[in-house]
Amino acid sequence: QQQVKQSPQSLIVQKGGIPIINCAYENTAFDYFPWYQQFPGKGPALLIAIRPDVSEKKEGRFTISFNKSAKQFSLHIMDSQPGDSATYFCAASIKSGNEKLTFGTGTRLTIIP
Amino acid sequence: SAVISQKPSRDICQRGTSLTIQCQVDSQVTMMFWYRQQPGQSLTLIATANQGSEATYESGFVIDKFPISRPNLTFSTLTVSNMSPEDSSIYLCSVDTTYGYTFGSGTRLTVV
Repeated sequence: QQQVKQSPQSLIVQKGGIPIINCAYENTAFDYFPWYQQFPGKGPALLIAIRPDVSEKKEGRFTISFNKSAKQFSLHIMDSQPGDSATYFCAASIKSGNEKLTFGTGTRLTIIP
Repeated sequence: SAVISQKPSRDICQRGTSLTIQCQVDSQVTMMFWYRQQPGQSLTLIATANQGSEATYESGFVIDKFPISRPNLTFSTLTVSNMSPEDSSIYLCSVDTTYGYTFGSGTRLTVV
């Protein structure tokens, strides 16, 4: 079954804190796990993506942690800023097969000063 | 990564009418994807459009309601036909590039 479950639905963190958003998947054929950031009135923008052959990937303040055995992956935002307030979506696909992206339900993140 | 231009960016339409949304990419791509994002919701794939072949529709979406054209490797259109207020959504096109799946800024459709 091609599902990606995302939590929490919303998250409020103080500036400088580390929000963590979690996703779980079922299809073991998934081989590409991106995270998208979406601001109101804009399309989703690719933040960072990971393949299942690594357990962690960092790009700037954004880190993906990946647990293949648990079929879970998470996004951590270091030193969060009010400008990070947005909706975040995890996704998964079988990229090697040019398959579509399956999205999580989204997390509305608010960083308070 | 690819730059995607979508037109129109927003529109308000009368029920029963149709709207065609254009998606232009600045490079040639094999597949283009059309998504719908209802207010406050996640993205749902409507169909995948390959140049030179019929679009492939996801469960719950049909060609009569959402006809798609893909005349070349840089352009596609999605038509929302016989609109009802339930079609009010953001419609997004997306392409798969070396850098990952890239999205346009979307078309915000309101049906009254």
